[in-house]
Amino acid sequence: GGIITQTPKFLIGQEGQKLTLKCQQNFNHDTMYWYRQDSGKGLRLIYYSITENDLQKGDLSEGYDASREKKSSFSLTVTSAQKNEMAVFLCASSIEQNYAEQFFGPGTRLTVL
Amino acid sequence: TQTVSQSDAHVTVFEGDSVELRCNYSYGGSIYLSWYIQHHGHGLQFLLKYYSGNPVVQGVNGFEAEFSKSDSSFHLRKASVHWSDSAVYFCAVSAHSNNRIFFGDGTQLVVKP
Repeated sequence: GGIITQTPKFLIGQEGQKLTLKCQQNFNHDTMYWYRQDSGKGLRLIYYSITENDLQKGDLSEGYDASREKKSSFSLTVTSAQKNEMAVFLCASSIEQNYAEQFFGPGTRLTVL
Repeated sequence: TQTVSQSDAHVTVFEGDSVELRCNYSYGGSIYLSWYIQHHGHGLQFLLKYYSGNPVVQGVNGFEAEFSKSDSSFHLRKASVHWSDSAVYFCAVSAHSNNRIFFGDGTQLVVKP
């Protein structure tokens, strides 16, 4: 078995601040994803990456940057934190041939003051 | 674009009851359909998926789902729920042609003792 680790678990920042969320997986999966989950809502895809150094925009990429430094890690940067983007950010991974079955991390809860 | 609709935002049942969580999708091509569970404060966990073949698929913990092409549905069922089944359930659809999935808004299942 494997695990997805997200750091930090809680992230508090000031409005306008640049903030970085990190995700590591030891499944050796090809594809990694970043989702945003607003309170009581479904998941919206921010960025995904099908292999190292690849980046694909999702539906909510504006205001975010991402970086796939190596196969096991995928970082998300909030370029200028806003109060209306307080949410839980979920990282996930899957093998290339089975992206319908994704494995999720526990999430990072973002608070913007 | 694929879309997923979960018509019930909240479902409340008693322990031992049967339950059906509804999911309808729209997409004309070949797709995967899947269900995920999210316990409070955690990431999503994969339950089951359908691609082809037997329209009834079995998942973990006694869950099953039935695909219906005519109804564009993929409803999740359990014959006898336990209090630990209380969670949010997400239906998801993905096209074979890309590496991403689309989630519904989720159904909050509350199982009362």
